[in-house]
Amino acid sequence: QVQLQESGPGLVKPSGTLSLTCAVSGGSISSSNWWSWVRQPPGKGLEWIGEIYHSGSTNYNPSLKSRVTISVDKSKNQFSLKLSSVTAADTAVYYCARGLVVVAATHFDYWGQGTLVTVSS
Amino acid sequence: DIQMTQSPSSLSASVGDRVTITCRASQSISSYLNWYQQKPGKAPKLLIYAASSLQSGVPSRFSGSGSGTDFTLTISSLQPEDFATYYCQQSYSTLGGITFGPGTKVDIK
Repeated sequence: QVQLQESGPGLVKPSGTLSLTCAVSGGSISSSNWWSWVRQPPGKGLEWIGEIYHSGSTNYNPSLKSRVTISVDKSKNQFSLKLSSVTAADTAVYYCARGLVVVAATHFDYWGQGTLVTVSS
Repeated sequence: DIQMTQSPSSLSASVGDRVTITCRASQSISSYLNWYQQKPGKAPKLLIYAASSLQSGVPSRFSGSGSGTDFTLTISSLQPEDFATYYCQQSYSTLGGITFGPGTKVDIK
């Protein structure tokens, strides 16, 4: 059973950088899956942030691309998110998820529990 | 970017009702459409992938259909544990980004 666990600061100052890590257990991050970050502002819907493959290949949401970096650490079986120049609009629950690709289409079959990140001074 | 819409945005239903939720894409996405259920304070749960394939462990009262731009999620007989918010998600083009629909909240009538 694959498990994902997000970790990182729950409070980030405006204009700062949000940094989160997702630890993967019960499976290898080097398997044939993409690893994604998804966020959900309080009371709102889901927004995909981006994804990474174990090779280091990435895809990002065009609306966030200029501020997002996703990286992978195969030795620790984890991947990370950095979001720069944050504002209150970036306050959200951040989820990491495994993207399973079937016939070129991605669906998220395993999710972390989510971690709330608040942007405030 | 591919935009997703869902209708209705919310609905009230009773246990045992047949419920249908619609998802529409702004351009054809073939069958690259997935459905998730989310309960308050919890992560989304995959129900249906590739428009009509039931995820392992998901009750058979859930079904999905459609292709191209129009898709439906049907709950054949609503159960108490099905009251939740449902999201569709497309993955036709990661170049344009994976996108979710705005959600449909199903609550008790």
